[in-house]
Amino acid sequence: DAGITQSPRHKVTETGTPVTLRCHQTENHRYMYWYRQDPGHGLRLIHYSYGVKDTDKGEVSDGYSVSRSKTEDFLLTLESATSSQTSVYFCAISEGLAGGTQYFGPGTRLLVL
Amino acid sequence: LAKTTQPISMDSYEGQEVNITCSHNNIATNDYITWYQQFPSQGPRFIIQGYKTKVTNEVASLFIPADRKSSTLSLPRVSLSDTAVYYCLVVSNNAGNMLTFGGGTRLMVKP
Repeated sequence: DAGITQSPRHKVTETGTPVTLRCHQTENHRYMYWYRQDPGHGLRLIHYSYGVKDTDKGEVSDGYSVSRSKTEDFLLTLESATSSQTSVYFCAISEGLAGGTQYFGPGTRLLVL
Repeated sequence: LAKTTQPISMDSYEGQEVNITCSHNNIATNDYITWYQQFPSQGPRFIIQGYKTKVTNEVASLFIPADRKSSTLSLPRVSLSDTAVYYCLVVSNNAGNMLTFGGGTRLMVKP
């Protein structure tokens, strides 16, 4: 399996608090992605990165920001968490073009009360 | 991005061959067909990708007819551990196009 870790794996937080999720890879892949998965919606892309300090929005980016200061780390921040952001968050990486084969992390289960 | 349509669920028994068909009528010339597998509480896992005709690897085969408007994922001799959700995706080879996951097909393998 590709070397991708996510932290924390589980988090419970309160509405209005900031939350940062971390994705760390040891594969030196150029592309990194953040998805959320909710019942009835499948996986939806939040943000992605195509290099250090190079990021762009995905399908459901409102309320989220990202940063990538190093190749191996991609951070997802919820500036002020809301209950609608309760979800399972997956990080993914890919080596080549932004499509095709992506390798997913184990996920972070976030509950916003 | 081309929209995909696949069955919501399928049942099978251990040892049988399972074929999951996906339709993608609006597939473009530069698009590839990709399948992912997802077990509960895990991230999706890449299974196979193809452009046309047939692709086979150690896990599955992918059959794509000449018009490329559909594709069939074939899992030979399934076991209980193949119970998962299978996603069919159409992926552009152009940079900037992301993966779009639909609802997938929930495969249940019974003993």
